Amino acid sequence: GIQVEQSPPDLILQEGANSTLRCNFSDSVNNLQWFHQNPWGQLINLFYIPSGTKQNGRLSATTVATERYSLLYISSSQTTDSGVYFCAVEYTGNQFYFGTGTSLTVIP
Amino acid sequence: ETGVTQTPRHLVMGMTNKKSLKCEQHLGHNAMYWYKQSAKKPLELMFVYNFKEQTENNSVPSRFSPECPNSSHLFLHLHTLQPEDSALYLCASSLDTNGELFFGEGSRLTVL
Repeated sequence: GIQVEQSPPDLILQEGANSTLRCNFSDSVNNLQWFHQNPWGQLINLFYIPSGTKQNGRLSATTVATERYSLLYISSSQTTDSGVYFCAVEYTGNQFYFGTGTSLTVIP
Repeated sequence: ETGVTQTPRHLVMGMTNKKSLKCEQHLGHNAMYWYKQSAKKPLELMFVYNFKEQTENNSVPSRFSPECPNSSHLFLHLHTLQPEDSALYLCASSLDTNGELFFGEGSRLTVL
């Protein structure tokens, strides 16, 4: 099956700092999503981005499908950004495969 | 309020109990999913239903029994579980099986 690797596995930031999270995948994909899992366990949709660049406030994402990676940028981080960030890819037409996540802690 | 709701949010059960998790989506989607998330592990897909028909069963033990009576409702029936089944169980839906996923808030299960 497809391999989905995220880096770094853990990240600690000072409030106000910027960061880049990376998702590498081992095969061509049809779709890619980024999620934020909050401390209560819910997965919040951030981006649905099979290719190109999207921005939503302080967050933006870029997927370069031909090179099999996606990046999530967080600018001016806030303590509420803490949690685990997952990317998930779909390539078979019937399910998404999740990466192992990046655990982000933003300290005030 | 999310478009996908799960109940109960927390469940504690003994190994001999029978319980059910419920998921309901209000998004008009045709595909629904159960995922399991154990501590410090990525999400594992358990079951996929598309138009009420099961299309994926990722080698899930028979002590987990899904039921999808219609495209809006999905259940996970639990019986004779083991302590290692303690985890966060997440329900998701999408318009079709390769569309954008939307998750519920999860049901946190503890098996004693």
